[in-house]
Amino acid sequence: QQQVKQSPQSLIVQKGGISIINCAYENTAFDYFPWYQQFPGKGPALLIAIRPDVSEKKEGRFTISFNKSAKQFSLHIMDSQPGDSATYFCAAKYSGAGSYQLTFGKGTKLSVIP
Amino acid sequence: NAGVTQTPKFRVLKTGQSMTLLCAQDMNHEYMYWYRQDPGMGLRLIHYSVGEGTTAKGEVPDGYNVSRLKKQNFLLGLESAAPSQTSVYFCASSYSSASNEQFFGPGTRLTVL
Repeated sequence: QQQVKQSPQSLIVQKGGISIINCAYENTAFDYFPWYQQFPGKGPALLIAIRPDVSEKKEGRFTISFNKSAKQFSLHIMDSQPGDSATYFCAAKYSGAGSYQLTFGKGTKLSVIP
Repeated sequence: NAGVTQTPKFRVLKTGQSMTLLCAQDMNHEYMYWYRQDPGMGLRLIHYSVGEGTTAKGEVPDGYNVSRLKKQNFLLGLESAAPSQTSVYFCASSYSSASNEQFFGPGTRLTVL
């Protein structure tokens, strides 16, 4: 059973536009929600993360919006640039004792065209 | 710091052959993980380790074995490779479960013919 559902699978955005990627989770015990960015031929790297005690977190052009009641969170990339072209993974984790696993979504391939 | 390194970067195996993938980290992290990444499937956890000498199964452990004899190294073994194990393998490490952030290596692309 997939615990984190991510959409869309792929996304094409014009330079300067807003990229939006959505994720939904099922396990209400999850309390840490990161987004990872992966460039071709590289390993994923943490981009931004949020905990459910806040509804939004912003770092530069990247914003996570979190809706606890709907069990959804999304990544917004403002003023998207060609250098943002990458695959983005949402993930979720329970931070309690004895929990070590990140559960990943299936990924969204973002292409920002000039 | 080199971070997380993986060897080899690429490998081609024939069905039934065996091999070991090596992961090393120089960040003194307690936790280490092996994932596989397949198109449209995201990252799936194979095995993980919460400390030297310990290992545990993840989501897709069948056909793989692991060992953590030294804190800085985490080995992933395939005893009898199958075409279904063609994938990109990523190793990751984290300081503790509370720190949450996992640091990934550059990956190993494995093809099993």
